Amino acid sequence: DTGVSQNPRHKITKRGQNVTFRCDPISEHNRLYWYRQTLGQGPEFLTYFQNEAQLEKSRLLSDRFSAERPKGSFSTLEIQRTEQGDSAMYLCASLRSGGLSYEQYFGPGTRLTVT
Amino acid sequence: AQSVTQLGSHVSVSEGALVLLRCNYSSSVPPYLFWYVQYPNQGLQLLLKYTSAATLVKGINGFEAEFKKSETSFHLTKPSAHMSDAAEYFCAVSEGLTGGGNKLTFGTGTQLKVEL
Repeated sequence: DTGVSQNPRHKITKRGQNVTFRCDPISEHNRLYWYRQTLGQGPEFLTYFQNEAQLEKSRLLSDRFSAERPKGSFSTLEIQRTEQGDSAMYLCASLRSGGLSYEQYFGPGTRLTVT
Repeated sequence: AQSVTQLGSHVSVSEGALVLLRCNYSSSVPPYLFWYVQYPNQGLQLLLKYTSAATLVKGINGFEAEFKKSETSFHLTKPSAHMSDAAEYFCAVSEGLTGGGNKLTFGTGTQLKVEL
């Protein structure tokens, strides 16, 4: 078990381009979360999945953002028509619900820079 | 709705001194509380958690925190700071057994600096 992985680690894109990030959770974890962290701030919740079902989306998740977890394993987060305000660290976390731990395990993040 | 307030965005201590990082929370339901540490350009690592068992919680690397319901606080302490403790620390709250999908609400973080 190698933990939560995220790819790419860094992404630089021009305003208006689309970007997609991938998250691979810990294999037995059925819940997967996306957070966004801007400089000097704590992470903010974006959305989460239980298996393949997207159960909650934050108001922060505008129409330009879409997330999927098609087979209940890895997840992708796509941002369309990127804006400079989208520059942030995008963090993925996973958790096994129904256990006693309640601990979310975080990946290393994808740092997005929109120029 | 839940929220977390971390007093002091920057804290500086001498090596060997007590570390105290403050966290106050607001929650309409019994909360679960967490402290995470983040090193530069890395994800978050859990230090410790409170999930309605013992109010004094011990974590990794010598850290501990005490849940005080009357004060709505969950301050993080360590008796003796090491240089390796220099990092950013985040307090977070989730809705506990009432659900909410276990999503976390984070504070704005405290940057800990350890000086020789």
